[in-house]
Amino acid sequence: GDSVTQTEGLVTLTEGLPVMLNCTYQTAYSTFLFWYVQHLNEAPKLLLKSSTDNKRTEHQGFHATLHKSSSSFHLQKSSAQLSDSALYYCALRRGSALGRLHFGAGTQLIVIP
Amino acid sequence: DAGVTQTPRHEVAEKGQTIILKCEPVSGHNDLFWYRQTKIQGLELLSYFRSKSLMEDGGAFKDRFKAEMLNSSFSTLKIQPTEPKDSAVYLCASRTGGNYAEQFFGPGTRLTVL
Repeated sequence: GDSVTQTEGLVTLTEGLPVMLNCTYQTAYSTFLFWYVQHLNEAPKLLLKSSTDNKRTEHQGFHATLHKSSSSFHLQKSSAQLSDSALYYCALRRGSALGRLHFGAGTQLIVIP
Repeated sequence: DAGVTQTPRHEVAEKGQTIILKCEPVSGHNDLFWYRQTKIQGLELLSYFRSKSLMEDGGAFKDRFKAEMLNSSFSTLKIQPTEPKDSAVYLCASRTGGNYAEQFFGPGTRLTVL
C-alpha cells in the first residue's frame, strides 16, 4: 500500500541554521506530494505541493524537490526562524480522482534562539 | 470565504457516553475527511466522503465511530460509547475533487474522555 516515512520525530535547531526535514514515500502509482504545517493550536495548512519530477517548488522561504528516482520529497529552508517552530507533515496522494492523502507521522521542528 | 467549521471546539465526556462532533465543509467542496490527531499516532483517517458517499473508513475505528454526511454542507462524527483512549483532537477537512487540490482543515475539536 501507499506510505510516507518521516524519519525524524523531533528536530531542534538554532535560529539561522538550515532546515532539512526528510520525507520518503512508497507507492506503485503516479503521485502528488504535499507538505502541511501545523502551528501550535492551529489547523494544518498546505505549505508546498508537487507532482513534477526534479522540479523545485518554493513557498514562504521553504522549498522541496520531488525526486521520483529516490522516492523523496525533503523540505528545506536556508535559514530557520523562530516562527518556523511547528509540526510538519509530509503527505502523498495517488494520481487518481479518488485518491486520499496518506500522511507521514510528522516532524516537530523547534527553533531556539 | 468561510473555511471549515467544527463544533464544539472542546468536549469533555464521561466514559461510556455518546458524543457527536459536527463539521461544515467549505462550500462547493466535494470531499470531506475526518481525522483523529494524537501526539503518538499523528493523523489517522477515520472517514472519507465524496459527494456524500462514504469512500473509505479507517478499519480500526469501525466499531464505535460512525461518520455521516447528511447533506453536502454538514457532517457528523458519533463516538459511542466513548473510552478514555478516545481523548484526542478530531479534525475535519474538505477539498474539491481535483488531484492537486488543497485540503483545508478545520480548527478541530479537542475531546477529553474521563
